[in-house]
Amino acid sequence: KAGVTQTPRYLIKTRGQQVTLSCSPISGHRSVSWYQQTPGQGLQFLFEYFSETQRNKGNFPGRFSGRQFSNSRSEMNVSTLELGDSALYLCASSIQGDAYNEQFFGPGTRLTVL
Amino acid sequence: GDSVTQMEGPVTLSEEAFLTINCTYTATGYPSLFWYVQYPGEGLQLLLKATKADDKGSNKGFEATYRKETTSFHLEKGSVQVSDSAVYFCALSDRSGGSNYKLTFGKGTLLTVNP
Repeated sequence: KAGVTQTPRYLIKTRGQQVTLSCSPISGHRSVSWYQQTPGQGLQFLFEYFSETQRNKGNFPGRFSGRQFSNSRSEMNVSTLELGDSALYLCASSIQGDAYNEQFFGPGTRLTVL
Repeated sequence: GDSVTQMEGPVTLSEEAFLTINCTYTATGYPSLFWYVQYPGEGLQLLLKATKADDKGSNKGFEATYRKETTSFHLEKGSVQVSDSAVYFCALSDRSGGSNYKLTFGKGTLLTVNP
C-alpha cells in the first residue's frame, strides 16, 4: 500500500509570493491534516479536512488556507509569504481522523522563503 | 487548552543503556496519547499509542503507560541501539469539542545513541 505522498519535496520562494503544496493520502483514507514544523515552535496544527469539509483549524493567519478534493487529495496554500513561513510542512492521513485512528505522515515539503 | 510537555533534549546514551523520556499532558477532555518518532529527513512515524487510562502501548522494545492520575505517558526502552537515534515526540488527541481531529505535540526530544 502506497504511503502518504507530498509534492514538491522542496520549494524556494521569495517574500510576497504565494505557494501551493499538495498531499495525496493513503488509499481509503478520508481525513487529511496539515502541520507546520519549525525549530522554534515545533509541530503546530494547521487544519484538518474530511470528505471535503474543514472540521478543525489551528491558530494561523488567513494567509494559510487549504482544501480537499473529492478523491481526498488535499492542497494547502500560503499567500503573501513571509520569512517566518519557512518550515517543513507535513501532511497526515487517517481513516477517520479522530483520536482512535492512527495518523500516517508524509515526508513533508521543505519550504524556504528568501 | 491542550498541551504536552516533554523533557528537553538532547539525550545522549551509549548502546544498551536504559532510556526514559518524560512526557506530561494537560487536556480538557479524555485524550488518546501517542509517541511518534522522526528519523532524519523523514516524516513522523507512530511508535506506540494508548487510548485509555492504565493502557500500555508497546512497539520495537519501547513502552509507555497511560497514567491518568499523574497525567503522564513516559517513554521507556530497556536497551537502546544506535538505530534508535532520532527525534521523539509525545502527542495527544483530545476527543472533546474543538480539540478533536488534531494532534497536539510536545517539542520533541533528540536522542543520540553512540556505539
